[in-house]
Amino acid sequence: QKEVEQNSGPLSVPEGAIASLNCTYSDRGSQSFFWYRQYSGKSPELIMSIYSNGDKEDGRFTAQLNKASQYVSLLIRDSQPSDSATYLCAVDTGRRALTFGSGTRLQVQP
Amino acid sequence: GAVVSQHPSWVICKSGTSVKIECRSLDFQATTMFWYRQFPKQSLMLMATSNEGSKATYEQGVEKDKFLINHASLTLSTLTVTSAHPEDSSFYICSAKGLAGRSTDTQYFGPGTRLTVL
Repeated sequence: QKEVEQNSGPLSVPEGAIASLNCTYSDRGSQSFFWYRQYSGKSPELIMSIYSNGDKEDGRFTAQLNKASQYVSLLIRDSQPSDSATYLCAVDTGRRALTFGSGTRLQVQP
Repeated sequence: GAVVSQHPSWVICKSGTSVKIECRSLDFQATTMFWYRQFPKQSLMLMATSNEGSKATYEQGVEKDKFLINHASLTLSTLTVTSAHPEDSSFYICSAKGLAGRSTDTQYFGPGTRLTVL
């Protein structure tokens, strides 16, 4: 079992819809969780971090964390074609480097 | 957010030559820097972790004599690809974690360096 799992996609949503990206992790002791966005040919950029159970909103993005179920999700409201990218879930498992999932490719159809 | 720069952004070199890539944290001091490699349509692969003033820790399968890492200060780490071969062609990305004042568990990425070895 991978430590951080994501569906590779592609996840295709129409413009204006809500995109829901999911991630599960195996280390129950993990405390810090991150979502990064990576456009093709570019490096990852941090979208959000979340540390506590529940929701955290930042603009069109909402991160959700459920430590009991060991999942973290990212909702993107009013999806735009410019949101088309690969979204990486990352978990602080106590190692110095974050543990990354392999990413979910999102396609927003105009 | 924190800014991490890399130089050069792209480089083309001949097989057998060495290439140095610089990674700088511009507005914070980085306790730890990381070097990743990413092949087209593949996941990020962690190559090594470095702390200022100490030897880098390499991931399994990464040749430390081929990929030399120097972390000279809290704002600068360099990766030197020695005797580069075409199979070393890839996208190399550095990342940094900060001292107090920046979220110490958050990794900030540089823009990456695209290496092409002819």
